[in-house]
Order: sequence, then C-alpha cells, then structure tokens
Amino acid sequence: GAVVSQHPSRVICKSGTSVKIECRSLDFQATTMFWYRQFPKKSLMLMATSNEGSKATYEQGVEKDKFLINHASLTLSTLTVTSAHPEDSSFYICSASGQGRGDTQYFGPGTRLTVL
Amino acid sequence: TQLLEQSPQFLSIQEGENLTVYCNSSSVFSSLQWYRQEPGEGPVLLVTVVTGGEVKKLKRLTFQFGDARKDSSLHITAAQPGDTGLYLCAGANNAGKSTFGDGTTLTVKP
Repeated sequence: GAVVSQHPSRVICKSGTSVKIECRSLDFQATTMFWYRQFPKKSLMLMATSNEGSKATYEQGVEKDKFLINHASLTLSTLTVTSAHPEDSSFYICSASGQGRGDTQYFGPGTRLTVL
Repeated sequence: TQLLEQSPQFLSIQEGENLTVYCNSSSVFSSLQWYRQEPGEGPVLLVTVVTGGEVKKLKRLTFQFGDARKDSSLHITAAQPGDTGLYLCAGANNAGKSTFGDGTTLTVKP
C-alpha cells in the first residue's frame, strides 16, 4: 500500500479564523491529490482535485476563495479553510494518487474540524 | 457525470452470516476500488480491480469486477464483528477521476 498522512487530526477554531490542513504522501510521489468532505454516515464528497504545480480544479458548488488548495510539491498539498463558520465543521479527508499506482487513491486519516 | 449506485445502504447481520454488497453503473470504468472505513478514520484500500471478469480474494472477502467493467460486488463469508464499518466502492475513468458510491454501512453483531 501507500502511506498518506494528514495534520492535524483534530482542530477546533473560532468563527472567522482560518485553518490549514496538510496532506502528505510519505512513500510515493503524488502527482494528483484530492480533497473530500464527509458528513456523518455519508459517503465522500469531492471538493477539489489538485495536480502538482498547477491550480486546483474545484467541484461545482465549492467556493475556491473559501477553500484554498495548494499543491506545491509531489508530497504535500494543503487545504486552508478561510474565515471559517460553524457550517464548515466537518470531517475533511485527502487522498493521493500517482507514481505507477494507476488510478488508485490512497487516503489520509482525515481531519475533524470544529468551528465554534 | 458518472454515477455509481451502491446497495444495500445499510446491512445488519449476525456473526457467521454471509453478505454481498453491489456497485452498479451505466458507465465503464478503467478500474474500480473497494475501501473500508471506520468512524473517525480515512478509508483504507481493500482491493483494486482492473480487468473485466476479474475476481480477487482477500481472506474471507471476494471481489468481482463485471465483464463489462460497469459493476462490481463484494462478498464476505462468515462475517465477523471486526468486519463492521463503512464499505465504499469507487470507479475510476480514463482521466483518473473517481466516482464514489454512497457507501454500505455494515454492522456485524456478535
């Protein structure tokens, strides 16, 4: 398999602040990283797809100015939730694919964001 | 837009029973993945199937990819409480984009 890490695993912040979540592929070069949001007992909702060195492609309905994605290297992508509101509280999960691993996505452990 | 219908959505069975989860689509996928997710954690890859008609076994789990690469099934034999979790299928197209099923929440009672 492949190892993808996410940091932090949990974060609590005040409304109006920004939060940055990091996603790292530890043992392979991730040409593509994906960011998902997941609600309780629901499947994954794709937010955006990012390729190393280029701008992220956002899914319909996802505000790119609110959810800033940077994929500056083949092992790191970041998601910044800007001016967070309580409705942004959710479980955010990243995944990575690339380097001879076909289309298979390998997921990070997720980040639980709570906005007060 | 590719859609992937997963069924059943919820499944509650007794330890030792068998079960099958299905993923169906009208679209052809270049590959299909099955994941298992526990609460508060990310999905963990179980298997990737790429060839139509392919069957893969992982201990008590049997995965099958349809001949036309539009559907897949996951069969669990003699389910155990440790199998409890959310099972997700995901079909990938030639552009590398994946479509996820809605998930099957499996509960295995001891």
